[in-house]
Amino acid sequence: AQKITQTQPGMFVQEKEAVTLDCTYDTSDPSYGLFWYKQPSSGEMIFLIYQGSYDQQNATEGRYSLNFQKARKSANLVISASQLGDSAMYFCAMRGPFSGGYNKLIFGAGTRLAVHP
Amino acid sequence: GAGVSQSPRYKVAKRGQDVALRCDPISGHVSLFWYQQALGQGPEFLTYFQNEAQLDKSGLPSDRFFAERPEGSVSTLKIQRTQQEDSAVYLCASSDAIGRDRGTDTQYFGPGTRLTVL
Repeated sequence: AQKITQTQPGMFVQEKEAVTLDCTYDTSDPSYGLFWYKQPSSGEMIFLIYQGSYDQQNATEGRYSLNFQKARKSANLVISASQLGDSAMYFCAMRGPFSGGYNKLIFGAGTRLAVHP
Repeated sequence: GAGVSQSPRYKVAKRGQDVALRCDPISGHVSLFWYQQALGQGPEFLTYFQNEAQLDKSGLPSDRFFAERPEGSVSTLKIQRTQQEDSAVYLCASSDAIGRDRGTDTQYFGPGTRLTVL
């Protein structure tokens, strides 16, 4: 069965510094996708970054980068130059197996990030 | 363009009442998902629509939960005879992908409906 594990219930970082949020996954499917979402207090899940299992390079989107280590089955999110607005819950998710014509997402429990001035 | 919208944003129901939660996906998106997010947890899959067809309802917790998307756009999640354990945030997501085993098929989420059952 597929599983996402986020071992850090909470993290804090000083403004302008970098922070790494951990994510490990378990799957026997050779083809999968990994996503990170941000959920501020307003509740909306905001897509941040995507990494495919066959992608040769680590994904980057602005201040977000994904440290993808396939052999270790980890997909850590790195946020550079943290801003106060980065304070939120962060969820790692994996695209489930392609079955029946769709892919549902399997989420971890999330990490709450607090950015301090 | 407009994102995924959901209404109401907040719903308080007395135990035993029926509720209906609405989702307006991004225009043209084929796929629509419903997820349930309990307090302090990550979202969990409830059901999936491809256009008007409900291809998977394996995540619906009981037969009190019912979802529809009759014209392949707006979707409604209905909960009959609500119970306290139904209290959660219900998230809707849409995607322009039918599903694939490679490539990006990003799901875009709405703000959710927070349901509280008293």
